[in-house]
Amino acid sequence: SQQGEEDPQALSIQEGENATMNCSYKTSINNLQWYRQNSGRGLVHLILIRSNEREKHSGRLRVTLDTSKKSSSLLITASRAADTASYFCAQMEYGNKLVFGAGTILRVKS
Amino acid sequence: DGGITQSPKYLFRKEGQNVTLSCEQNLNHDAMYWYRQDPGQGLRLIYYSQIVNDFQKGDIAEGYSVSREKKESFPLTVTSAQKNPTAFYLCASSGLPIGHTEAFFGQGTRLTVV
Repeated sequence: SQQGEEDPQALSIQEGENATMNCSYKTSINNLQWYRQNSGRGLVHLILIRSNEREKHSGRLRVTLDTSKKSSSLLITASRAADTASYFCAQMEYGNKLVFGAGTILRVKS
Repeated sequence: DGGITQSPKYLFRKEGQNVTLSCEQNLNHDAMYWYRQDPGQGLRLIYYSQIVNDFQKGDIAEGYSVSREKKESFPLTVTSAQKNPTAFYLCASSGLPIGHTEAFFGQGTRLTVV
């Protein structure tokens, strides 16, 4: 099962623009995480937001969490070509499984 | 340097063969995971372990086996029962409780059936 569903599946923007990706999930969560994957590489952790937090910032990243809508969003501001990657949300599912969504492929054109 | 290491980076398997993918971490993490990633897809959980000598099936465990004899090691065997093993395999580790701390990933093993 994939707990999170990212939207959109793919996103193409110009350098300097903002990129917003969304993640929806099915069950109640404790924490939600966002990861980044460069092509053919392992995933790198970006940010963790706890269920009692509504917004969290890290550099050019802003993550929001809406537990009533069971959704989270990742905003990358002032995007750069180096931000080109796939982005995944992840959370713990029943049975202590760490599960990932299908991901959003972001392409930033310079 | 602390980290998680997967080997080999590329692996070729003949039909009917078992192959073992290595995953080692020196982060002193209790939890370790194996994921499979197909082209353009997300990660699907194969097996995970929270403690030595114990592991649980993920969502696609059929055709795979694991062991956790040491805290730092979590090898994955792709058996001949796995009908479509060509994929990118990722190993990860984290502290406990699962989902409360970040997971660290290896660089992956790309397995191809020839």
